[in-house]
Amino acid sequence: EDKVVQSPLSLVVHEGDTVTLNCSYEVTNFRSLLWYKQEKKAPTFLFMLTSSGIEKKSGRLSSILDKKELFSILNITATQTGDSAVYLCAGGGADGLTFGKGTHLIIQP
Amino acid sequence: GAVVSQHPSRVICKSGTSVKIECRSLDFQATTMFWYRQFPKQSLMLMATSNEGSKATYEQGVEKDKFLINHASLTLSTLTVTSAHPEDSSFYICSASDRVVHEQYFGPGTRLTVT
Repeated sequence: EDKVVQSPLSLVVHEGDTVTLNCSYEVTNFRSLLWYKQEKKAPTFLFMLTSSGIEKKSGRLSSILDKKELFSILNITATQTGDSAVYLCAGGGADGLTFGKGTHLIIQP
Repeated sequence: GAVVSQHPSRVICKSGTSVKIECRSLDFQATTMFWYRQFPKQSLMLMATSNEGSKATYEQGVEKDKFLINHASLTLSTLTVTSAHPEDSSFYICSASDRVVHEQYFGPGTRLTVT
């Protein structure tokens, strides 16, 4: 059975801090690892990772995949209150996506 | 716990036919189910929200007569794509939420290809 585990489940930090969110996966016929940010209605796509060791960056967010150790991290530097959200990671395999339960990130002013 | 399944995982159909996708919560009662559509490397687009026993609430721009949603029980919701066209080809994902925790648990998705 495919499994994606995210940690921590919840995280509260102060504005300006740097956070690292973790995602480990066991996905049959693994193809890609996706990160989403969910604030209100629908998850917003952040990154898709397919290759190990290559960092993807978008502004203050960055992510990297380790296909040997089967995990990915999402880094957010200089956090802002607008970064408060649930961050989801999903492993893409042959039969679709397996989502983790998400990390609920709260940024305090 | 909190497993959501979708069936089928992949379906190919001819233009003009209808396709039904099932979303089931396997070990909890889903008072609310959400249906999303995703294009490659894009955000999930919320199509509709359905509460058990009541009519679904569709997002703006989503045709309710084309995407029929039924949430007849606390463990099953179905999405029927009626008179499917090639532009309906996409990855459809459902999620389910229970009354207690309010977290969303996502299904694995269904890839629809309309030829």
